[in-house]
Amino acid sequence: ETGVTQTPRHLVMGMTNKKSLKCEQHLGHNAMYWYKQSAKKPLELMFVYSLEERVENNSVPSRFSPECPNSSHLFLHLHTLQPEDSALYLCASSQDRSGAGADTQYFGPGTRLTVL
Amino acid sequence: KQEVTQIPAALSVPEGENLVLNCSFTDSAIYNLQWFRQDPGKGLTSLLLIQSSQREQTSGRLNASLDKSSGRSTLYIAASQPGDSATYLCAVRLLRKNSGNTPLVFGKGTRLSVIA
Repeated sequence: ETGVTQTPRHLVMGMTNKKSLKCEQHLGHNAMYWYKQSAKKPLELMFVYSLEERVENNSVPSRFSPECPNSSHLFLHLHTLQPEDSALYLCASSQDRSGAGADTQYFGPGTRLTVL
Repeated sequence: KQEVTQIPAALSVPEGENLVLNCSFTDSAIYNLQWFRQDPGKGLTSLLLIQSSQREQTSGRLNASLDKSSGRSTLYIAASQPGDSATYLCAVRLLRKNSGNTPLVFGKGTRLSVIA
């Protein structure tokens, strides 16, 4: 399998549930990202991991908890979400060359999340 | 704070027309600019990446230009086809002195419909 994969593709959960989104990249990259895409809003960067260390967190609520166990896998753990958290969650990866900026980000197909 | 604006928000054209999508950004201190394509409910596909030192990039029927000093980029699509129907997103990568990995800031996109 090539590229960036995400599972599940669709998820419906209640506000009291706990679930996790999974992302896997097969490109040999060393940086991975979580983005949120809500209707009528620009893509919002949530988390960045470079070399498995979190380097950016744009003040995302604590009900979203990322985990990056290795350079190929990225998780987003969800708990006690709100209906306004319903969105398309996109994962991306890139090759981070420190001092020279990162290369093009490659995106997965996304997980469509609905919070009831 | 960097803001990216895309005009128009939606565009409908007959097949075969040449068209231009516009992107503007408020801070000219960028590392590069990318154009992405997103099909409904799907992830993003990178189309063209222009480094801050470049003026344009071409790929097939697509041509992207960058005028960093005025904070503008255009995506030109020649001889449009129904398969070009998608949302086109512009994103700028911020320039930071002390970090090799900087975030992408996205516009809201232009939804293009090419009518057969």
